[in-house]
This record gives sequence, C-alpha cells and structure tokens, in this order.
Amino acid sequence: AQKITQTQPGMFVQEKEAVTLDCTYDTSDQSYGLFWYKQPSSGEMIFLIYQGSYDEQNATEGRYSLNFQKARKSANLVISASQLGDSAMYFCAMRENQAGTALIFGKGTTLSVSS
Amino acid sequence: DTGVSQDPRHKITKRGQNVTFRCDPISEHNRLYWYRQTLGQGPEFLTYFQNEAQLEKSRLLSDRFSAERPKGSFSTLEIQRTEQGDSAMYLCASSTGGRPQHFGDGTRLSIL
Repeated sequence: AQKITQTQPGMFVQEKEAVTLDCTYDTSDQSYGLFWYKQPSSGEMIFLIYQGSYDEQNATEGRYSLNFQKARKSANLVISASQLGDSAMYFCAMRENQAGTALIFGKGTTLSVSS
Repeated sequence: DTGVSQDPRHKITKRGQNVTFRCDPISEHNRLYWYRQTLGQGPEFLTYFQNEAQLEKSRLLSDRFSAERPKGSFSTLEIQRTEQGDSAMYLCASSTGGRPQHFGDGTRLSIL
C-alpha cells in the first residue's frame, strides 16, 4: 500500500539558514506525483511544490526546491534562506495516478525558525 | 482569484447531533475533495467529486457520513449522530484536472 514517511517530528533552524525536510514514500506505481504543503498555526494548507515521477529535473519554486531521488524513493524539501514566517507544519503527500486523485499525506514535520 | 471557502470555521455540538459543513471551491475547479485531519496527523482522504458525480469514497466514510455536490459547484458534508471520534478538522480542497489541490481553511468540529 502507498505510504508517506516523515521521520522528523520537529526541526529547528535560524533565520537565513537552509533546512531540509525529509520525506520517503512507498508505491508500486511507476506514475505518481509528490507534493509538499505548508500548514501554519491558522490551519490552512498551502501548496508549495510538485514533482512528477517522470520529471527529470528537480522542481523549484522560489526558495523551495524538491530533492527527488527516485531510486531511494525520497522527495526531500529544501527551504533556502529561512524566514520567521516559514515556521509551520510541513506535509509531504503523494498521489498515485493509477489509483485516483486522493492525496496520501505523511504525519508532518514542525519547522521552527528563530531569529 | 477567490480561494476555497469553508463554513463554518468552528462547530461545537453535542454527541448524537447532526452537523453539516459547506465548501465553496475555486470557481473554475471541477474537482472537489474532502479530507479529515486529527491532531498531530496529516489529512486523510474522505471523498472526491468530479463536477456533481461522487467518484471515490474512503472506507473512513462510514454510513453516518454523506457528501453532496448537487450542481457541481459547492459541496456539503453531513455527519449524522456525531460521536466523540468525529472531532477533527474537516478540510475541503479543489483542483482542475490533475493539477495541485488547493485547500480551504477547514472546519474544526468539537463534540461535547
């Protein structure tokens, strides 16, 4: 069965530093999509970045990049130049294209950015 | 561009009562999803609509849960005979085709 694992319950980083949030996934599908979402304390889920399983290049969106290592089944999120506003819960999610459109989420990582 | 809107933001009710939540998706989005999120967990998929057709339901969606999207626009999620275990954040998301899902702020349900 498909599964997302986020092994870091909490991460701490100082402003302007880079941070990597880990995500590993398990699927038997060849075609799938990987997503990262940010959830601040206010509760809304904010889409950050997407990587398709057939994309050869790692996805980037501003300060966010996705380190996609297909053979290792990992899709780590890298946030460069952390800001205080980056403090939030971060979720990795997967959609198996063959199985429909539901997203399977990990348990999340809490990121705390200090000044 | 108006985002996904959910109403109410908070709902407190007694065990055994029925509750209904509403979701208004982004206007051009034909797909609408409901998820449930309990404390310390990631969201869990409940059900999905494409236009007005409910195409997928999770086993989490017991007989007490029902969702509708009557005209392919807004959707409602009803929980009948609420139980303590129904306390959670209920999230709605919408998308166009296979593009990333955009979420609303959620409805937080508390069962007394």
